Amino acid sequence: NAGVTQTPKFRVLKTGQSMTLLCAQDMNHEYMYWYRQDPGMGLRLIHYSVGEGTTAKGEVPDGYNVSRLKKQNFLLGLESAAPSQTSVYFCASSDRTSGRPEQYFGPGTRLTVT
Amino acid sequence: EDKVVQSPLSLVVHEGDTVTLNCSYEVTNFRSLLWYKQEKKAPTFLFMLTSSGIEKKSGRLSSILDKKELFSILNITATQTGDSAVYLCAVEARGNEKLTFGTGTRLTIIP
Repeated sequence: NAGVTQTPKFRVLKTGQSMTLLCAQDMNHEYMYWYRQDPGMGLRLIHYSVGEGTTAKGEVPDGYNVSRLKKQNFLLGLESAAPSQTSVYFCASSDRTSGRPEQYFGPGTRLTVT
Repeated sequence: EDKVVQSPLSLVVHEGDTVTLNCSYEVTNFRSLLWYKQEKKAPTFLFMLTSSGIEKKSGRLSSILDKKELFSILNITATQTGDSAVYLCAVEARGNEKLTFGTGTRLTIIP
């Protein structure tokens, strides 16, 4: 079991460029989440999904889009990157359908927008 | 809006000391509180607490929840350098698919 994996691990973008972050999980979890983590701000939820084909906005969704075409994958897109999106991005999944709320996190993607 | 506040923001102690980390919360329809440890990369799950007064233990780490006073503490005894990390607290509300995280306590253990 790889758990939750994220690609890429690092990326540098120029302002206005676009990119997609990929999250994959092999635990058959229904719920998946995208967070960003900035110094002093903790983990802030961007978007989440409660199952294949569903997505919902979190606390800081502006400037991001997501898709969940397959149960095991959750994609986070930046349409036009801005320096304010420089952050570490974490994906997580959870087995909430069994009543367990704990989330399992991927290793993170460090994104720098210049 | 659900809120989680952790204290202290950072803590530096010597190896072998005992530390107590605090987490207070305001949640509508509280269901559970979770503790995570974050070293250099991903947060890893430590404990989930749902009932007041029942201590969860894992080796030198233990945690307890007080649902009346709306807080939890995480104790680490006989600290080791490997305990250096950011410790995150999160709460879950009934009927909510999300967790609300605090900003964490950065613990540094000096050899």
